[in-house]
Amino acid sequence: GENVEQHPSTLSVQEGDSAVIKCTYSDSASNYFPWYKQELGKRPQLIIDIRSNVGEKKDQRIAVTLNKTAKHFSLHITETQPEDSAVYFCAANSGGGADGLTFGKGTHLIIQP
Amino acid sequence: DTEVTQTPKHLVMGMTNKKSLKCEQHMGHRAMYWYKQKAKKPPELMFVYSYEKLSINESVPSRFSPECPNSSLLNLHLHALQPEDSALYLCASSLRDRGLDEQYFGPGTRLTVT
Repeated sequence: GENVEQHPSTLSVQEGDSAVIKCTYSDSASNYFPWYKQELGKRPQLIIDIRSNVGEKKDQRIAVTLNKTAKHFSLHITETQPEDSAVYFCAANSGGGADGLTFGKGTHLIIQP
Repeated sequence: DTEVTQTPKHLVMGMTNKKSLKCEQHMGHRAMYWYKQKAKKPPELMFVYSYEKLSINESVPSRFSPECPNSSLLNLHLHALQPEDSALYLCASSLRDRGLDEQYFGPGTRLTVT
């Protein structure tokens, strides 16, 4: 099955700086890579996703890049704000058919004021 | 309606009890999922239903029994659970069953087994 590795486990950045979280996956058939933000006690919320037919996607301060050859994808958050503090999970599907997501272990992002 | 709802929000049960978790969506989604999330861990896939049929069971113990009565409802029946089953149980749904669509998560049921 799919295996997703995520780094770092904790990331502390100054407000206004950029944050980068990286993930690798193992299943070359995976073709959908979402990123979820989860605040304490709340449900995971999709913040951005990318499909294997594109290499980069951007939505305001958030961007995701995908390198299919290397099987890795990254989340970039620019101009970080205190409300960006949360746990971020990357995930990957297993390619084709009805399947769920395999999540990385999560990154606790801390925005220092 | 663009939300997945789950009831109850919290559940405390003994190891000999039988209880059920309920999940509902009215977005016309045809795939529904159960995930288990322990504290400070990622969600782990338990079951996938596609067009009301169980398509994936990730080797979950038989004390967890899923049911999909119709395209909008998903239940998880619990029986003879263990304390280590205490976790947040998340339901999710997606439009199609091709694994390429956004999964919308419900708020979860926080389960405590005593």
